[in-house]
Amino acid sequence: GDSVTQMEGPVTLSEEAFLTINCTYTATGYPSLFWYVQYPGEGLQLLLKATKADDKGSNKGFEATYRKETTSFHLEKGSVQVSDSAVYFCALTFGFGNEKLTFGTGTRLTIIP
Amino acid sequence: GAGVSQSPSNKVTEKGKDVELRCDPISGHTALYWYRQRLGQGLEFLIYFQGNSAPDKSGLPSDRFSAERTGESVSTLTIQRTQQEDSAVYLCASSLKTGSPLHFGNGTRLTVT
Repeated sequence: GDSVTQMEGPVTLSEEAFLTINCTYTATGYPSLFWYVQYPGEGLQLLLKATKADDKGSNKGFEATYRKETTSFHLEKGSVQVSDSAVYFCALTFGFGNEKLTFGTGTRLTIIP
Repeated sequence: GAGVSQSPSNKVTEKGKDVELRCDPISGHTALYWYRQRLGQGLEFLIYFQGNSAPDKSGLPSDRFSAERTGESVSTLTIQRTQQEDSAVYLCASSLKTGSPLHFGNGTRLTVT
C-alpha cells in the first residue's frame, strides 16, 4: 500500500540555520504531496503542497519540490526562526474519489535562540 | 465557530467501556475525516464523510468502531468495548469539499486503562 517515510526526530537547530526534513513516498501512480505543520497547542494545518512532478510548493519561507525520480518531497528553509518550532508531517493523496491522506510519522523541530 | 472543534479534549476510560468522540466541523465544510495517531506512529486514516454518507470507511480497525454524521454537521466516532490498543489521539478534519485543504481540530486524547 501507499506509505510515507520521513526523517525521525527530534531535530534541534539554532536560529538562522538551514533546515532540511526528508520525506520519501511509496505509491502506485502519481499522488499529490503535502506538508502539514502542527504548532504547539494548535491543530494540524496545511503548510504547502505540490500536485505534479517538478512542482515546487512554497509558503512562509519553506519550500519542497516534487521529485518523481527519487519519489521525494523534502522540506527546506534557508533560515529558521524560533517560531518554526513545531511538528511537521509529510502526506500524500490521490484525490479524485480516493481522498484519504496518508501521513508520515511526523518530525518534531525545535529551534533554539 | 472559527475552526474544527473536538470534544472532549481528553478522555480516560476503563477497558471494556464504550466511548463517544465528537467533532464539529467548520460551517459549510462538506467533507469530514477521522484519523488517529498512536504514540510514535503516523496518522492513520479511519473514515471520511461527504455530507452524511461515508464513501470510504476502510480505515476503521474493527467492528467496535463506528461513525456517523448528521447532515453536513456534527460527527461522532464511537468505540465500543474499548481496548488498551485504542489509546491514541483521535483527530477530526473538515474541508470545503473533497480535494480542498484539510482543517484539523486539536484532537481527543483517549487513554484506555
